[in-house]
Amino acid sequence: KAGVTQTPRYLIKTRGQQVTLSCSPISGHRSVSWYQQTPGQGLQFLFEYFSETQRNKGNFPGRFSGRQFSNSRSEMNVSTLELGDSALYLCASSLALAGGNEQFFGPGTRLTVL
Amino acid sequence: SQQGEEDPQALSIQEGENATMNCSYKTSINNLQWYRQNSGRGLVHLILIRSNEREKHSGRLRVTLDTSKKSSSLLITASRAADTASYFCARTNNAGNMLTFGGGTRLMVKP
Repeated sequence: KAGVTQTPRYLIKTRGQQVTLSCSPISGHRSVSWYQQTPGQGLQFLFEYFSETQRNKGNFPGRFSGRQFSNSRSEMNVSTLELGDSALYLCASSLALAGGNEQFFGPGTRLTVL
Repeated sequence: SQQGEEDPQALSIQEGENATMNCSYKTSINNLQWYRQNSGRGLVHLILIRSNEREKHSGRLRVTLDTSKKSSSLLITASRAADTASYFCARTNNAGNMLTFGGGTRLMVKP
């Protein structure tokens, strides 16, 4: 099976712009989670989607949003970008929702905000 | 912010030596997982230990869990240069698959 794929791999934006990142989970996986990784805050949970519904949300402002499509692919959007949004954004997929399952991570999208 | 602490933050050893990393957490867990990350890439799942388990092995990896002390440790035996990476513990509670990560340990294995 192909692994989790994320596009684009690298992105440069300027403050105030918006950005959309895409994640394709492993075939058959219905849970998709997003994480932000920065040197200062480490790895932080953004949100989790399962069957096109947001199931969990981390402590991030409303500028961060996401969605999941019927084929389980997911997108996350960040509006009105700030310098502090520069980070590695990681997507992870899992087979099921409950029970804290093993997560399979993609390679990440490195976002730089200038 | 993270709800787990890992120590040491950095560890440098010679090939063939064992590496031990520790993780502490503050709240109850469903399970605890360990992940490896090579140089800013995606994370790779290493091992999952459930709250009712005390020890688990996978190849050269051994994980222990002490729920009374709210701590876990990862032991890598007979380390190799390829083990150089950052290692993270992550806990889950009953909220789906949400992972709460520790700060990580940067391991360097010198050939």
